[in-house]
Amino acid sequence: GNSVTQMEGPVTLSEEAFLTINCTYTATGYPSLFWYVQYPGEGLQLLLKATKADDKGSNKGFEATYRKETTSFHLEKGSVQVSDSAVYFCALLNFGNEKLTFGTGTRLTIIP
Amino acid sequence: NAGVTQTPKFQVLKTGQSMTLQCAQDMNHNSMYWYRQDPGMGLRLIYYSASEGTTDKGEVPNGYNVSRLNKREFSLRLESAAPSQTSVYFCASSEGGARSYEQYFGPGTRLTVT
Repeated sequence: GNSVTQMEGPVTLSEEAFLTINCTYTATGYPSLFWYVQYPGEGLQLLLKATKADDKGSNKGFEATYRKETTSFHLEKGSVQVSDSAVYFCALLNFGNEKLTFGTGTRLTIIP
Repeated sequence: NAGVTQTPKFQVLKTGQSMTLQCAQDMNHNSMYWYRQDPGMGLRLIYYSASEGTTDKGEVPNGYNVSRLNKREFSLRLESAAPSQTSVYFCASSEGGARSYEQYFGPGTRLTVT
């Protein structure tokens, strides 16, 4: 079956630090990969996506590259801000399947 | 354009009581979903509906029932609440099909069962 493994949190960084949140997956076939973000008190929202190997998804300064050889989709940002404090979820979707599989989430806190 | 709305925002139940969580979307989406979010577990799919009139079980359907009342509304019912159902519940919707990945979430319902 499908599964997504994220690095354990919580992660605390200073403003302007470099961010990496690791995500690896197990899936049959060629899934599409996503990062969702959940700001305090809100529902999840799609941050970025990549639909095939070597694709790079990007949005709001965040990037993630779909690496088929390492089954990974790590989230990166060069300089984080306090407003990036949130919980980040890695997820996958197999072609022909409507159900997203989520990782457990990584809580990120940025301190000024 | 309200997106996905959920009621209530908070609820406290005693063991054995029943309740229905309501969800509505105004984006004309075909697919709707109910998830629960528990610490350390991420989001787990309870039920989903790929179109009006159809529903399917997700990963953790036991103890829940759903109704896709029409294209806009998708309700989740707990017939006899248990403490293990204490969680935050999220409703979501998507266009479905090839765009199933882009799900829009409501603000959630925080449920406590004592």
